[in-house]
Amino acid sequence: EVHLVESGGGLVQPGGSLRLSCAASGFTFSSYWMSWVRQAPGKGLEWVANIKQDGSEKYHVDSVKGRFTISRDNAKNSLYLQMNSLRAEDTAVYYCARVWSTVTTFDYWGQGTLVTVSS
Amino acid sequence: QSVLTQPPSVSAAPGQKVTISCSGSSSNIGNNYVSWYQQLPGTAPKLLIYDNNKRPSGIPDRFSGSKSDTSATLGITGLQTGDEADYYCGTWDSSLSAGVFGGGTKLTVL
Repeated sequence: EVHLVESGGGLVQPGGSLRLSCAASGFTFSSYWMSWVRQAPGKGLEWVANIKQDGSEKYHVDSVKGRFTISRDNAKNSLYLQMNSLRAEDTAVYYCARVWSTVTTFDYWGQGTLVTVSS
Repeated sequence: QSVLTQPPSVSAAPGQKVTISCSGSSSNIGNNYVSWYQQLPGTAPKLLIYDNNKRPSGIPDRFSGSKSDTSATLGITGLQTGDEADYYCGTWDSSLSAGVFGGGTKLTVL
C-alpha cells in the first residue's frame, strides 16, 4: 500500500527557514515524479513544485522561486522541500503527492504538515 | 485569483445530478489534460478524474469528466450526502511552466 508521510512543519518567524520531508513507501519511489502542493487556511489548493524521477528536472511556482527548492533522495525514498526566506503568505498545510499519468495528476497524497510563519 | 475558474458553490438534492465547470485558456486546459480532486472536510484531496475523463480504480461511475476546447466539466450523478466536499480541477500551464488549480467548488447536497 502506498504511504506518504510528511514531517518538518511548525512555527517559524518571517525570514526563517524550514525543511519539509516526505517519507514514501509501498511503491518504487525512483520511478515517479513527485510534487508538493499547499493549502493556506480556508483557501484552495496551490501547486508548489515538481521533481522528475532522477531529480534532473524541477519546476517551482513563481511565488516561491529563489526561496524554495524541491529535492529527493531515491536511496532513502524521500522527498524534500527546503524553504528559505519564509513569509506570512507561505502559511499553509503542505502536502506531498505522487505524480501519475501527467505532471498534474496526483494519485496519492500524504496527510499534510502545517507550516505557520508568524512572529 | 486562480488561473482556472470554477464556481464557488453548487448545490442539488440527493439523487440528482450536478455539474461543476472549470474554465481556462489555450495555455492550460486547451492543450493539457485535466484532473479533478475531491476534498472532504479535514482530509487530503483525492483523485477523482484524470486525463480529462478517466476514473482511477475504485472511483464509482457516478463521477465523470469531460473537456471541450478551454473548459472542463465534472459531473456527479445520484448525489449522496457523502459527496458534500470541495472539488478542484487542475492541469499544467505550458506558458507558466507550472501546475495550476481552480479555486475550488463547494458542493452542498441539500
